[in-house]
Amino acid sequence: DVKVTQSSRYLVKRTGEKVFLECVQDMDHENMFWYRQDPGLGLRLIYFSYDVKMKEKGDIPEGYSVSREKKERFSLILESASTNQTSMYLCASSLNLGWEQYFGPGTRLTVL
Amino acid sequence: GNSVTQMEGPVTLSEEAFLTINCTYTATGYPSLFWYVQYPGEGLQLLLKATKADDKGSNKGFEATYRKETTSFHLEKGSVQVSDSAVYFCALKSSGDKLTFGTGTRLAVRP
Repeated sequence: DVKVTQSSRYLVKRTGEKVFLECVQDMDHENMFWYRQDPGLGLRLIYFSYDVKMKEKGDIPEGYSVSREKKERFSLILESASTNQTSMYLCASSLNLGWEQYFGPGTRLTVL
Repeated sequence: GNSVTQMEGPVTLSEEAFLTINCTYTATGYPSLFWYVQYPGEGLQLLLKATKADDKGSNKGFEATYRKETTSFHLEKGSVQVSDSAVYFCALKSSGDKLTFGTGTRLAVRP
């Protein structure tokens, strides 16, 4: 059974903290994605990666960075968390760009 | 650029009612179209898809037909159940592009 796991379901951080969100997939997929989900805005792509050490900006990369050192792991980094980054963060992976994406359960991040 | 427009929710129905969730799109080329579902507390999962005009995707009693002439991909189910309560996302992919999602439509089904 395909599986995408995220390191935390709920996270509370303070403004200015550095935050790491981890995502692991066990399907040997080439592509991995980070989205944020906000009411009324749907899913917005932050970054994606199509290979180890490769990354591309999505629609809203400002304030975020990513790291992909191993094929199965894709990390989202908030260098200095701000309250407007309070959101649900969803990780996904796919075999080919644009094909079926498999999603993790999400991390609900609150920045105080 | 690509965009997806979904009807705003929430949609509230009684069990066994007929469901329609509208989805229209704007895209260059010939996109593939998808419906994803997000159950409470979970990530998104693919519900159905259609890759060319007039294709019908179906799964778990849900159906959607790719209508190129009206640029639409409306989701339908003949008889909803309480367990169908979720948020439904329409999405598209055109050649060489990533997935573009709509804003989601929340469905609540009453017993």
